[in-house]
Amino acid sequence: GESVGLHLPTLSVQEGDNSIINCAYSNSASDYFIWYKQESGKGPQFIIDIRSNMDKRQGQRVTVLLNKTVKHLSLQIAATQPGDSAVYFCAEGSLEYGNKLVFGAGTILRVKS
Amino acid sequence: KAGVTQTPRYLIKTRGQQVTLSCSPISGHRSVSWYQQTPGQGLQFLFEYFSETQRNKGNFPGRFSGRQFSNSRSEMNVSTLELGDSALYLCASSSGTGATVNEKLFFGSGTQLSVL
Repeated sequence: GESVGLHLPTLSVQEGDNSIINCAYSNSASDYFIWYKQESGKGPQFIIDIRSNMDKRQGQRVTVLLNKTVKHLSLQIAATQPGDSAVYFCAEGSLEYGNKLVFGAGTILRVKS
Repeated sequence: KAGVTQTPRYLIKTRGQQVTLSCSPISGHRSVSWYQQTPGQGLQFLFEYFSETQRNKGNFPGRFSGRQFSNSRSEMNVSTLELGDSALYLCASSSGTGATVNEKLFFGSGTQLSVL
């Protein structure tokens, strides 16, 4: 989950297709994980979270999958829309450290119409 | 309900100067966290305040400091600015201390600081 480098990976999808954004996190002791969406000129916006004792959680058009064995998190967006174009960040947190989150580097999602 | 408000939106300073950024949390939120976002390092935690007390601190030099007022508004200060301090500074508020997973962080749009 540590942020790295200048070049963010980019995922380009066709409007209407499903998107899968992946994240490798660093701390096996993290209690929860969050996906954020950041549009240009705005701060990160909460999408969905998942506790470490779960392996799947669904929201509206989004699903988060957690694989603790390989410390991997994914965000699935169904029927991707142009408004989904943004940078997506995963973040991990620990109840011990309150609102201190460790963010991943981010993935750029581009939706082609 | 108004969101997290950060002022100013943009700021240009020169090396060696100091700067103060302001954050007004969502009404009723008592926790305010600050993050620095740069292209090279991504989003990094600076510190968190709850009820005027610093609860957590990230790995930043002492030039970075903050405080929280009794109305939960927060300021962060950076002294002796360096070129590398150029970044988007984000403030986030939460209703609680993050002791449960239901207390989500809501971010403002940030203050873009450029150090020349």
